[in-house]
Amino acid sequence: DAKTTQPNSMESNEEEPVHLPCNHSTISGTDYIHWYRQLPSQGPEYVIHGLTSNVNNRMASLAIAEDRKSSTLILHRATLRDAAVYYCIRGSNYKLTFGKGTLLTVNP
Amino acid sequence: EPEVTQTPSHQVTQMGQEVILRCVPISNHLYFYWYRQILGQKVEFLVSFYNNEISEKSEIFDDQFSVERPDGSNFTLKIRSTKLEDSAMYFCASLQGRSMNTEAFFGQGTRLTVV
Repeated sequence: DAKTTQPNSMESNEEEPVHLPCNHSTISGTDYIHWYRQLPSQGPEYVIHGLTSNVNNRMASLAIAEDRKSSTLILHRATLRDAAVYYCIRGSNYKLTFGKGTLLTVNP
Repeated sequence: EPEVTQTPSHQVTQMGQEVILRCVPISNHLYFYWYRQILGQKVEFLVSFYNNEISEKSEIFDDQFSVERPDGSNFTLKIRSTKLEDSAMYFCASLQGRSMNTEAFFGQGTRLTVV
């Protein structure tokens, strides 16, 4: 049981920002929020993770709600190479459990 | 950048045969995992391995499956008697393991086809 809820699919235009939402209303205080993505025919790839504070790295930003029941992955300028399935995962007990994720389509 | 490597990239086997999928995780990592992904479906957890023993396994990981880390470097998944429904992509992953405040690294997968 992934215990996160994401939209099945989202669409974006190239060069525009993308906000991918995730609900994790039953998250415990020690669970990290991880985001991974899977490009076609590849293994999952780490994107970003956080606990309470918003996080930025070279790939994306992660905005975490104050109550930690939801988070949003932000791709600041989507490119065609960002087309992938994005997974929001609660990292707990040294295990990552994948849900169905959000299929992001990027239009040129 | 560190990476997890898996071999072979593609394996075709006859039903009932044994297969061994190999992985070289990142050397200083402590947790190792196998996941599988049936075509068109989600990534499913099979097993986690820590301190030379299984720390958790899913319902999928029945007696037909086994894992070992024979030489401190390779991490293998063995399927004793393959079934058609074992056809899937199998991903190995490793985690440094001090906490979940770190990223997991996944290999590019082995595509297993059982005929």
